[in-house]
Amino acid sequence: DAGVTQSPTHLIKTRGQQVTLRCSPKSGHDTVSWYQQALGQGPQFIFQYYEEEERQRGNFPDRFSGHQFPNYSSELNVNALLLGDSALYLCASSLGDRAFGYTFGSGTRLTVV
Amino acid sequence: QQQVKQSPQSLIVQKGGISIINCAYENTAFDYFPWYQQFPGKGPALLIAIRPDVSEKKEGRFTISFNKSAKQFSLHIMDSQPGDSATYFCAASRDSGAGSYQLTFGKGTKLSVIP
Repeated sequence: DAGVTQSPTHLIKTRGQQVTLRCSPKSGHDTVSWYQQALGQGPQFIFQYYEEEERQRGNFPDRFSGHQFPNYSSELNVNALLLGDSALYLCASSLGDRAFGYTFGSGTRLTVV
Repeated sequence: QQQVKQSPQSLIVQKGGISIINCAYENTAFDYFPWYQQFPGKGPALLIAIRPDVSEKKEGRFTISFNKSAKQFSLHIMDSQPGDSATYFCAASRDSGAGSYQLTFGKGTKLSVIP
């Protein structure tokens, strides 16, 4: 049974560019949450998608947006990249919106130069 | 302020010893407290979790102790092994009632178990 799959695993972008990260949830899960983990820090909540809508949002600017598809997979988009956006972006899937039962993917390492 | 404070930042323990990591939270609405283990290049994996209706939970070598009045909880790893070397994160969230259910993480503890 495949867990949470994220792509790509690594990405290098130039400041000002736009990036799209992808996440396929664990089989049976219908909710996707995105977290940003800066080097040496704990993950920080970006937003959560359920039933193709953004349900909860953390303290991140509008440059961060997302989407959920009918098959429950999700995308995270970041516009106008800043050097400070360099981080590991983690996707967690769950059944329902509670944190209980979260399964995290291995993340996408984004480097902005 | 939704904040979880974790200590120590790093920990070196000899094989067979006890590793202890502490966390404190501020938001009394939190009612779900998981611990995650993260290896380099991997996402966090749930290790053990506790709810505030119990003061202790044990799973194998891992034990969570929870002090609701002090708003503190800790992870104890008994008989620590080199394979336990990883970064450990405490976290907290609401799990009931109205409001956000996002996880708030501590900053992590890098554990090194030496032979």
